[in-house]
Amino acid sequence: AQKITQTQPGMFVQEKEAVTLDCTYDTSDPSYGLFWYKQPSSGEMIFLIYQGSYDQQNATEGRYSLNFQKARKSANLVISASQLGDSAMYFCAMISNYGQNFVFGPGTRLSVLP
Amino acid sequence: GAVVSQHPSRVICKSGTSVKIECRSLDFQATTMFWYRQFPKQSLMLMATSNEGSKATYEQGVEKDKFLINHASLTLSTLTVTSAHPEDSSFYICSASLSGRKFEQYFGPGTRLTVT
Repeated sequence: AQKITQTQPGMFVQEKEAVTLDCTYDTSDPSYGLFWYKQPSSGEMIFLIYQGSYDQQNATEGRYSLNFQKARKSANLVISASQLGDSAMYFCAMISNYGQNFVFGPGTRLSVLP
Repeated sequence: GAVVSQHPSRVICKSGTSVKIECRSLDFQATTMFWYRQFPKQSLMLMATSNEGSKATYEQGVEKDKFLINHASLTLSTLTVTSAHPEDSSFYICSASLSGRKFEQYFGPGTRLTVT
């Protein structure tokens, strides 16, 4: 079965510092994709970054980068230079089984302190 | 591009009544729409996958007769919560896919349902 684990229910970071949000996954499918979404208090899900299981390089999108360690089945999100607007819930998600399964992790609430 | 809207954003209804939530893709045609449910402080759980012109595919444990999904056009899918109960109170989020693949999902802003 596909499963996403996010072990940090809540995280605090000082403004302008970097923060790493953990995500580990479990799947037996050789081909899968990993996503990170941000959900602010307003509720909408905002796509941040995607990493394919066969991608050779770690994905980066602006201040977001994904630290993909395939052997360890981890896909941590790194946010550099945190901003107050980064305070939100962050969900790691995985697609697998040839696109049939799409599962979200339990989420991590990030609070950026001024 | 790829904007998805939901209406209403918030709804309060009485137990036993039905409520309809609309999900629209505003600037693209969505062959597939997905409906999720999110309880407070929890993750999103996929309820069903809706393909235009065909019956929705429900996830295990989701009552088909309670959560009616209609995908009448390439830009509109509706979720009707029938005979609502307080335990149906939740945040309902839809997403739409251009290609029909779960890989590419654009999420709506969500609808908060409160059943009194």
